[in-house]
Amino acid sequence: EDKVVQSPLSLVVHEGDTVTLNCSYEVTNFRSLLWYKQEKKAPTFLFMLTSSGIEKKSGRLSSILDKKEPFSILNITATQTGDSAIYLCAVFYSGGSNYKLTFGKGTLLTVNP
Amino acid sequence: EPEVTQTPSHQVTQMGQEVILRCVPISNHLYFYWYRQILGQKVEFLVSFYNNEISEKSEIFDDQFSVERPDGSNFTLKIRSTKLEDSAMYFCASRRTPNVSNQPQHFGDGTRLSIL
Repeated sequence: EDKVVQSPLSLVVHEGDTVTLNCSYEVTNFRSLLWYKQEKKAPTFLFMLTSSGIEKKSGRLSSILDKKEPFSILNITATQTGDSAIYLCAVFYSGGSNYKLTFGKGTLLTVNP
Repeated sequence: EPEVTQTPSHQVTQMGQEVILRCVPISNHLYFYWYRQILGQKVEFLVSFYNNEISEKSEIFDDQFSVERPDGSNFTLKIRSTKLEDSAMYFCASRRTPNVSNQPQHFGDGTRLSIL
C-alpha cells in the first residue's frame, strides 16, 4: 500500500494563482519529509522538513510539516509558467537499521499563461 | 555546485542483454542509491549502498540486479538479462551521510533505459 499519498494528482491554474499541494504519509520511525520538483529529468531538491510547525520558505515557495496528523503542504504563490512540473513528496524513514526514501506519486502542476 | 552525473542519458538494448548504468556521485558523499521511474508512475526505491555493501534493497531489486563501486568514483547498476518491464528512467542519488536527517539526497539526470 502507498505510504506517501499526494493530492491532487494534477492541477491546472493560471499565472498569478496560489496553489497548495498536499502530502500525507504513514511510516514508522519518521526522520524527515522532502519536497522535490521534477521537470524533464532529475528531481531537484526543494525543502527538507523535520520539525512540526516550522515553515520553510524559498522565494514564492513555502512548506510546513505537521507530524501529528501527519502531513505536509507545499504552497506556491504568484505562480509562473516555469512552475509547471511534477512536485514530488518523499519521506525518509527507518526500516529496521537502515533508512530509505519513499516517494508519493506526485502532483502534476500546469500553470497556463 | 557539485552534481551527480549519470551515463548514458539514453540506452537502448535488446531483451535478454546485459546493461550497465553508470553514476558518479558527488565526491564527498558516502551513501548511494538507485531508483527507477516507469513512465507515468512514481519514483521507486531500488537499492542503497554504503561502505561498499548494500544497505537496503526493495523487492524490485531481484537477482537480475547488482550494484558495484568498482573504483573511488563510479557507482554502477547492472541488469543481467533485461526484460521489457525493465524499461524505465533510472536515477542515481547520493547523500553525504547515511543517518543524519538534515542531508537531502541529490539526484542525477537519469538514464532512460529502453528494452526492445
